[in-house]
Amino acid sequence: GEKVEQHESTLSVREGDSAVINCTYTDTASSYFPWYKQEAGKGLHFVIDIRSNVDRKQSQRLIVLLDKKAKRFSLHITATQPEDSAIYFCAASRSGYNKLTFGKGTVLLVSP
Amino acid sequence: DMKVTQMPRYLIKRMGENVLLECGQDMSHETMYWYRQDPGLGLQLIYISYDVDSNSEGDIPKGYRVSRKKREHFSLILDSAKTNQTSVYFCASSPGQGNTGQLYFGEGSKLTVL
Repeated sequence: GEKVEQHESTLSVREGDSAVINCTYTDTASSYFPWYKQEAGKGLHFVIDIRSNVDRKQSQRLIVLLDKKAKRFSLHITATQPEDSAIYFCAASRSGYNKLTFGKGTVLLVSP
Repeated sequence: DMKVTQMPRYLIKRMGENVLLECGQDMSHETMYWYRQDPGLGLQLIYISYDVDSNSEGDIPKGYRVSRKKREHFSLILDSAKTNQTSVYFCASSPGQGNTGQLYFGEGSKLTVL
């Protein structure tokens, strides 16, 4: 089955800097790659996704890059703010298939 | 209102007792999920339900069963709970069947089995 590895377990940045979280996946057939944010004591909240027909997607300060050859995708958070501090999870699944495989999460700390 | 509600939020049980975790959603989503989250392991899929009485095992179904008798309601049942089932359980829902899209998560149910 699919395995998703999230490379950074923790990441500390200063407010205003950029943060990058990297994930790799194993299933060549995976084509959907969402990112979720979890604040302390809360459930996961969808932030952005990318499908395999594009290699870049941006939503305000969030940029997702996808490298299908390397089976790697990444989340870039620009101009970080303290409220970006949370655990971020990457995930992957095949098209038309509801089953998401999650990475283990990255704790992002943004200090003022 | 686009909400997934889990009850109870916190539960303490003794080993061997039965556990019922309940989840409701107000979005008429067809697909619902149960995940567990453990430190260092991320989220693991226990069961997925594609609609009423249409349930499928996830990656770690052993020791769990589910029930979905109404589209808006999905229950997770632990018959004779074990200490290694201590975890935070998340319910989620998504629209459609077979079309991967955004999952909406509840706030979690923290279960402690003594």
